[in-house]
Amino acid sequence: GQGVEQPDNLMSVEGTFARVNCTYSTSGFNGLSWYQQREGHAPVFLSYVVLDGLKDSGHFSTFLSRSNGYSYLLLTELQIKDSASYLCAVRDRGNYAQGLTFGLGTRVSVFP
Amino acid sequence: DMKVTQMPRYLIKRMGENVLLECGQDMSHETMYWYRQDPGLGLQLIYISYDVDSNSEGDIPKGYRVSRKKREHFSLILDSAKTNQTSVYFCASSADTQYFGPGTRLLVL
Repeated sequence: GQGVEQPDNLMSVEGTFARVNCTYSTSGFNGLSWYQQREGHAPVFLSYVVLDGLKDSGHFSTFLSRSNGYSYLLLTELQIKDSASYLCAVRDRGNYAQGLTFGLGTRVSVFP
Repeated sequence: DMKVTQMPRYLIKRMGENVLLECGQDMSHETMYWYRQDPGLGLQLIYISYDVDSNSEGDIPKGYRVSRKKREHFSLILDSAKTNQTSVYFCASSADTQYFGPGTRLLVL
């Protein structure tokens, strides 16, 4: 089967950084997406990675290692408003139309 | 501006009643999805639609059916709703990445 695992919670301090880890086990791989979801709202797309390495998008950066089935989302210069759940989602290769398999999300709490 | 809409946003129904959830998108995406999200279970895929009248079951289709008669509209139907179908339902559409609607909060009493 396939699964996407994330830690449940992560706490950090305003002005610093937070790294949200994601490990996955899938029969194939056709990309990994990160979403932000605030309480009571819909997931909002942040980033999509399909090649190994670090993708710098300013406030959000994402890293992927396909051989290790591992990705992380790095949030830098944290602000209180970055407090939200961050969802990792994987698409199986050859299953573009099968939708994404989501992790349960990591709740990031940013404190002053 | 790319947008996915859902109606209604909140709905209360009694067990056994029929439920119709509507989703629209203005991006001409071929592929659309229905998910439900529950605490501890995350987002679970109910149905996928590849285009008009071309639908496929997702991971948890039991108790649901869908209808796609126009590319921009995708409906989720619950015939005889059950209390365990109380959830938040999200519609999404995609070309390469998925864009989500705001969700419908359904309470089945």
